[in-house]
Amino acid sequence: DAGVTQSPTHLIKTRGQQVTLRCSPKSGHDTVSWYQQALGQGPQFIFQYYEEEERQRGNFPDRFSGHQFPNYSSELNVNALLLGDSALYLCASSPRGQVYGYTFGSGTRLTVV
Amino acid sequence: GEDVEQSLFLSVREGDSSVINCTYTDSSSTYLYWYKQEPGAGLQLLTYIFSNMDMKQDQRLTVLLNKKDKHLSLRIADTQTGDSAIYFCAEGNTGFQKLVFGTGTRLLVSP
Repeated sequence: DAGVTQSPTHLIKTRGQQVTLRCSPKSGHDTVSWYQQALGQGPQFIFQYYEEEERQRGNFPDRFSGHQFPNYSSELNVNALLLGDSALYLCASSPRGQVYGYTFGSGTRLTVV
Repeated sequence: GEDVEQSLFLSVREGDSSVINCTYTDSSSTYLYWYKQEPGAGLQLLTYIFSNMDMKQDQRLTVLLNKKDKHLSLRIADTQTGDSAIYFCAEGNTGFQKLVFGTGTRLLVSP
């Protein structure tokens, strides 16, 4: 049973560019959340998707946007990249209503130069 | 507001017990979690405890919760070198399904 799959694993982008990160949730999970983990910090909640809609959002600017597809997979888009966007981006999936059911992917390491 | 604090570093010898501490501020938290992160990897859920419990034991892991002081601890018995990692405490609320993480405690286990 595959867990949460994220792609790509590593990415290098230039300031001002745009990036798209992808996530496939664990089988049976329909809710996807995205977290940003800066070096030496704990993960910070970006937003959560369920039924193809953004349900909650953390304290992140509008440059961060997302999408969920009918098969529950999700994308995270970041526009106008800043050096400070360099981080590990983690996707977590869960069955709806089960906070303790979170499964995290291994993340995408984004470096902005 | 929501805030979770942890000490940054803990060093123990193999075979000893490790105790990692965490304090949180949100009294409405329903679940409290311990996650493990190894270098270059994502987060692995170790255990969680409901806010109406005081203690939970799962093999070598014991979680203690003091709701009055908003203090959570994770005890790892017979710590092994493979337990070396960063441990994150997190709080969650049933209604919102988002997790608030601490900054992590780096556990170093020496032979």
